[in-house]
Amino acid sequence: DVKVTQSSRYLVKRTGEKVFLECVQDMDHENMFWYRQDPGLGLRLIYFSYDVKMKEKGDIPEGYSVSREKKERFSLILESASTNQTSMYLCASSGKGYNEQFFGPGTRLTVL
Amino acid sequence: AQTVTQSQPEMSVQEAETVTLSCTYDTSESDYYLFWYKQPPSRQMILVIRQEAYKQQNATENRFSVNFQKAAKSFSLKISDSQLGDAAMYFCAYTYSGAGSYQLTFGKGTKLSVIP
Repeated sequence: DVKVTQSSRYLVKRTGEKVFLECVQDMDHENMFWYRQDPGLGLRLIYFSYDVKMKEKGDIPEGYSVSREKKERFSLILESASTNQTSMYLCASSGKGYNEQFFGPGTRLTVL
Repeated sequence: AQTVTQSQPEMSVQEAETVTLSCTYDTSESDYYLFWYKQPPSRQMILVIRQEAYKQQNATENRFSVNFQKAAKSFSLKISDSQLGDAAMYFCAYTYSGAGSYQLTFGKGTKLSVIP
């Protein structure tokens, strides 16, 4: 089974802190994604990566950055967390040429 | 830009009954994929069913089936013999199947409640 894991299920941070959310997949997938999920807004793509060290902006990249130094790991970084970044963050991965995405369990981030 | 619309924010169904969730999408492409994802209260999103646009036959997975109307750009999900474990958020999603395509475009979701 494809497994996508995220470093934390719940996270509480202070405004202005630097926050790292990590995602690891074990299926040698080329593509990895970070989404933000908010009630009534569905899933919105923040960033994605189709290869190591490659990244592309999604629909809402402002206030976020990403890092992909190894194929299996994709990190989302909030350089200076703000209260409007309180949300559920979902990581996903997919194989090359195959469109189905496999999701992690999500990280509920609260910024106080 | 592609858009996916789920017009029913919430729905409910009696256990053992059938329910249909609606989804419409907008695209100028002719070759694409459509998906229904399920997100139970535990939050792990899982794929329910997938439809390739070039296939005329509607996809079926056990109690889940779709009604794919390409001309109308409609992709509804039918759940038969509903079970308590079907209670979840359901998301419709679209992706273009051309080279270099990676992104899924999601609808805003439909929350399905199952009444015992």
